[in-house]
Amino acid sequence: DSGVTQTPKHLITATGQRVTLRCSPRSGDLSVYWYQQSLDQGLQFLIQYYNGEERAKGNILERFSAQQFPDLHSELNLSSLELGDSALYFCASSKATSGNTIYFGEGSWLTVV
Amino acid sequence: GNSVTQMEGPVTLSEEAFLTINCTYTATGYPSLFWYVQYPGEGLQLLLKATKADDKGSNKGFEATYRKETTSFHLEKGSVQVSDSAVYFCALTAVNSGNTPLVFGKGTRLSVIA
Repeated sequence: DSGVTQTPKHLITATGQRVTLRCSPRSGDLSVYWYQQSLDQGLQFLIQYYNGEERAKGNILERFSAQQFPDLHSELNLSSLELGDSALYFCASSKATSGNTIYFGEGSWLTVV
Repeated sequence: GNSVTQMEGPVTLSEEAFLTINCTYTATGYPSLFWYVQYPGEGLQLLLKATKADDKGSNKGFEATYRKETTSFHLEKGSVQVSDSAVYFCALTAVNSGNTPLVFGKGTRLSVIA
């Protein structure tokens, strides 16, 4: 158990819909990262937050957004969903912005039908 | 930019065979290097890490040595078990990693047969 908690574990939704994935980081970790894992793209970094502020942005689509709340939990919002958005979405956390070990949650499986 | 290159899989070995999964990197600055493992149907778990040149990370019988001269961090295990079947990811973080806090290789799938 890494200490990073993600909900829901599985989600099936239709094209065009919007979903929210939730992440609670490890106790004491200020940085939260979101990654997408798909069969064809591998592990893609989406976005990072540090203590409530966006710190780094990767290959995140405009239809996707995220935020980190004062209690440090984070949410990833995916809207206007397409079939190609079906993937495993990981949240991870660490104590600093870079260079420290990053611990991953078990992921949220999203299936868009 | 920073990048990680892993050997292509899948790798299939018999139980008790020796395992090597090659990993090389390109990075500016002084990266920390990691191996993560993903067992079937599960999330990513940190397997081992090394934060400076010549450091050896080890865990569960796996080892990897940070080789700055060859920019490599090869994963090794002397005797694999069926339970080691998983996908292994080499990764790095660096102070100057730009917009990607953790850069992953594409992963190497290992299958161990009894």
